[in-house]
Amino acid sequence: KAGVTQTPRYLIKTRGQQVTLSCSPISGHRSVSWYQQTPGQGLQFLFEYFSETQRNKGNFPGRFSGRQFSNSRSEMNVSTLELGDSALYLCASSSGQLGGSTDTQYFGPGTRLTVL
Amino acid sequence: GDSVTQMEGPVTLSEEAFLTINCTYTATGYPSLFWYVQYPGEGLQLLLKATKADDKGSNKGFEATYRKETTSFHLEKGSVQVSDSAVYFCALRDNTDKLIFGTGTRLQVFP
Repeated sequence: KAGVTQTPRYLIKTRGQQVTLSCSPISGHRSVSWYQQTPGQGLQFLFEYFSETQRNKGNFPGRFSGRQFSNSRSEMNVSTLELGDSALYLCASSSGQLGGSTDTQYFGPGTRLTVL
Repeated sequence: GDSVTQMEGPVTLSEEAFLTINCTYTATGYPSLFWYVQYPGEGLQLLLKATKADDKGSNKGFEATYRKETTSFHLEKGSVQVSDSAVYFCALRDNTDKLIFGTGTRLQVFP
């Protein structure tokens, strides 16, 4: 079974631009979560999508948004980029079964975003 | 809110040494607990998990036991290898099903 894939792997943008990252979950998984990883703040939850609906949201400004398509693929968008948005963005997929003791999040390799 | 605390790194060991990485948590209820590992330039890989008190997760020689009384989930391995060098993250799944991570512990194993 193919794992979680993320594209692109690396991205360089300048302040004020916007960026779109893509994530394809494991086949059959309906939930996609996004996390930001930085040296200073560690791993922080951005949001989760399940069946094309945002089900959960972390404490990030409205510049960070996402969506999910009917095939469960998800995109994350960051508008008006700031230097502090430089990070590794990880997505994770799971079956999405709420409270399910067997549900586990599997991570992709991440997209490394550098904002200049 | 829920939180995870891990020991500061780096942890530096010689090959075949015993490894312990401490992890404690604060949470409402009884969350599922996880250890993830991150190799340089890669995403997170699930190492092991435990879903209820006294459960022991194990994989690739690593073990961790869910201790409700001490709210801990310490990672152990009897004999580390150079290839185990990585960053290890302890995490819990909160009651909204999102993962909350510790700060990570870097392990360096020398031959």
